[in-house]
Amino acid sequence: NAGVTQTPKFQVLKTGQSMTLQCAQDMNHNSMYWYRQDPGMGLRLIYYSASEGTTDKGEVPNGYNVSRLNKREFSLRLESAAPSQTSVYFCASSESSTVPTGELFFGEGSRLTVL
Amino acid sequence: AQSVTQLGSHVSVSEGALVLLRCNYSSSVPPYLFWYVQYPNQGLQLLLKYTTGATLVKGINGFEAEFKKSETSFHLTKPSAHMSDAAEYFCAVIPYSSASKIIFGSGTRLSIRP
Repeated sequence: NAGVTQTPKFQVLKTGQSMTLQCAQDMNHNSMYWYRQDPGMGLRLIYYSASEGTTDKGEVPNGYNVSRLNKREFSLRLESAAPSQTSVYFCASSESSTVPTGELFFGEGSRLTVL
Repeated sequence: AQSVTQLGSHVSVSEGALVLLRCNYSSSVPPYLFWYVQYPNQGLQLLLKYTTGATLVKGINGFEAEFKKSETSFHLTKPSAHMSDAAEYFCAVIPYSSASKIIFGSGTRLSIRP
């Protein structure tokens, strides 16, 4: 049982380059999330998708776009990478956004460095 | 605004000693509260949660937390630390009015001394 799978695990970009982080879950969850983790700042929500076909901004959406391709997949795109986007990115999913069970299932993270 | 504060970015205890990680929340109504653990190079996983009912919540690996409304706290404890407990711990809250967003604290790194 794979759970939440993120690709790539590591990526180095130059300023201005673009890239897409891919995320897929096999738990038939309705809601999916993208977080970034920076030292001393915990996890900050970038975007989330409460259900297939919907996306909403989180706490730090600037510089990012997302696509909920289908129920399984939720991608995060950096159109023009900046050094401030150097971070570890986590995708997560949960069964429902309408019942606040709070249990998020996380991928192993994608470490992005922007030079 | 709903927020959660973790006191101490780094806590170090000896193996076998009590573990106490502090978390306070700000809310005018009782929120849903959680503790997540992150082992090195891994994603977060749920340790325990408080939604309603009993205020003392037991989680995995011998951890427990007590919801104290009067103190707006949800501290995490374990009677006897084990080397395998070394990890980063995150307190988190879901605002009562918003089921779609969980807000994480800044994290506390727990180190265990032999």
